[in-house]
Amino acid sequence: SQQGEEDPQALSIQEGENATMNCSYKTSINNLQWYRQNSGRGLVHLILIRSNEREKHSGRLRVTLDTSKKSSSLLITASRAADTASYFCAMETGANNLFFGTGTRLTVIP
Amino acid sequence: DSGVTQTPKHLITATGQRVTLRCSPRSGDLSVYWYQQSLDQGLQFLIQYYNGEERAKGNILERFSAQQFPDLHSELNLSSLELGDSALYFCASSVRLASNTGELFFGEGSRLTVL
Repeated sequence: SQQGEEDPQALSIQEGENATMNCSYKTSINNLQWYRQNSGRGLVHLILIRSNEREKHSGRLRVTLDTSKKSSSLLITASRAADTASYFCAMETGANNLFFGTGTRLTVIP
Repeated sequence: DSGVTQTPKHLITATGQRVTLRCSPRSGDLSVYWYQQSLDQGLQFLIQYYNGEERAKGNILERFSAQQFPDLHSELNLSSLELGDSALYFCASSVRLASNTGELFFGEGSRLTVL
């Protein structure tokens, strides 16, 4: 069963706008990761935030983590058409495995 | 290129058949993970191996089995295939057990179609 859910399921924005995706999970975690998947391709790791961190940045990506609410958000600033993809959060639990959310499909319109 | 190699890329077979999917992890990575991605189920964790030993099990059916060999490559065996087994099967690898620093490197997947 899924350990996490993402919201929204789909998001369509204009190039240059910011995109925000949210992830909620159920169990305690060691860290939370975000991955990107182009259609039908393998997932690519974007960023990892540890359970004792609240915010992390990487280029145009900003991730926040609220362990009290069991939620995380991924912000992509100044989006580009090339950002069009599905984005997944993944929760690393104490059982040493990684469970993925349901994904958000982002479409950036040029 | 993630460095993780999966074969075959595409596979079409019939119900009741058995197939084997192969994965070569990145050089130096000891952990291998298998995931199933289907349209209605998202990305489901199946099983994890570390240095040849099974370390974690997810939603893996009894008809499915896997192993990791001494050279660290892994195989996922799917038997008595059903239509619902049609999916993308991903292998991912990491350096070690996910322990607060884990980042997975994914292969491009094996697309299985069961007719």
